Amino acid sequence: NAGVTQTPKFQVLKTGQSMTLQCAQDMNHNSMYWYRQDPGMGLRLIYYSASEGTTDKGEVPNGYNVSRLNKREFSLRLESAAPSQTSVYFCASNGGLTGDNEQFFGPGTRLTVL
Amino acid sequence: AQSVTQPDIHITVSEGASLELRCNYSYGATPYLFWYVQSPGQGLQLLLKYFSGDTLVQGIKGFEAEFKRSQSSFNLRKPSVHWSDAAEYFCAVGARAGGYQLTFGKGTKLSVIP
Repeated sequence: NAGVTQTPKFQVLKTGQSMTLQCAQDMNHNSMYWYRQDPGMGLRLIYYSASEGTTDKGEVPNGYNVSRLNKREFSLRLESAAPSQTSVYFCASNGGLTGDNEQFFGPGTRLTVL
Repeated sequence: AQSVTQPDIHITVSEGASLELRCNYSYGATPYLFWYVQSPGQGLQLLLKYFSGDTLVQGIKGFEAEFKRSQSSFNLRKPSVHWSDAAEYFCAVGARAGGYQLTFGKGTKLSVIP
């Protein structure tokens, strides 16, 4: 049982490049989330998926898109990366509509945009 | 919309001393409350959670927290700090809409002096 996994662990991009961050969970959770963490800012919600087939914007969605590929996988895409998107990105999941409220977090992806 | 305030950005304590980290929340209904810990370069790990019932909750690693509705607080305590407790601590409040989203405070960094 791996919990929540994220790939890649580290990434360096140039301004304007695109990339997709992958997230998968093996806990049969309904809901999945993408956060970014910046120094002194805590975690801010980018997008979430309350259940398979639905996605919604969080607090800071601009510059990002998401896809809930199936119940296990939730990807985050940067279409044209900007230096302001340099951050640590965390994926999380929980039972959501049914089950426990606790969110389980992946290890994070450290992204630098030059 | 819910919000969380952690008034202390950085706290330094001596090993063996007691610890209290403050958390105040704003939420229009009965809150779900969480404390997470993040070691450097790691993801977030749940320390404890409050959903309902007993207002004093016990967590892992000897931590406890007390929910005080009248003060809108959920402070984290530990009677004797160990050097390994040095980390960043995040308080979060959970909403029930849309799959149990969490709103995080900006975190309190704990340093422990040997």
